[in-house]
Amino acid sequence: EPEVTQTPSHQVTQMGQEVILRCVPISNHLYFYWYRQILGQKVEFLVSFYNNEISEKSEIFDDQFSVERPDGSNFTLKIRSTKLEDSAMYFCASSEMDRGGNQPQHFGDGTRLSIL
Amino acid sequence: SQKIEQNSEALNIQEGKTATLTCNYTNYSPAYLQWYRQDPGRGPVFLLLIRENEKEKRKERLKVTFDTTLKQSLFHITASQPADSATYLCALEDSNYQLIWGAGTKLIIKP
Repeated sequence: EPEVTQTPSHQVTQMGQEVILRCVPISNHLYFYWYRQILGQKVEFLVSFYNNEISEKSEIFDDQFSVERPDGSNFTLKIRSTKLEDSAMYFCASSEMDRGGNQPQHFGDGTRLSIL
Repeated sequence: SQKIEQNSEALNIQEGKTATLTCNYTNYSPAYLQWYRQDPGRGPVFLLLIRENEKEKRKERLKVTFDTTLKQSLFHITASQPADSATYLCALEDSNYQLIWGAGTKLIIKP
């Protein structure tokens, strides 16, 4: 069964540095998402992406964050000037035909980001 | 804004029994509601999606109901097995097409 893959599985970074989290969504999917989950807390929506542009974004997704689909397969989340509170699990997801709740979303196993 | 409530206490069920998990929401009824399973250190795995005009959806040993009057969804696992032990998450679409999530209920199936 096709999978969403994320790299790296764990990223440790000094506060203030930039990180790029990478995802390869399922190949025939059209919608892509980033979520974060702080340890012990709820999954939180960050951003959705369709047709090479941001479709929706949450209040969390401020100027510190950006997303990109640099080629036909990768989908990246860049976090600039990382802060201690950015430490969390970041999940990438994709869905086949539609955004939001109308379609199942397929998740990767996440990147654990630790900011020191 | 929409809020989702799931029982934060772990649910302990004897193997073979039916487990029932609850998801309550506070504001408008969403068009779609989804249930996911999450194992420790893993991403959520989609289980079932139910639409506002559907009362019930089944898949193998899983059943989801959706009561827009009570603003509640129930998730049932029949003939539960230890392998069903996980955290189960309820998610629904808000007015901005974003999925918002409950905190999840940890289910423990005892042999």
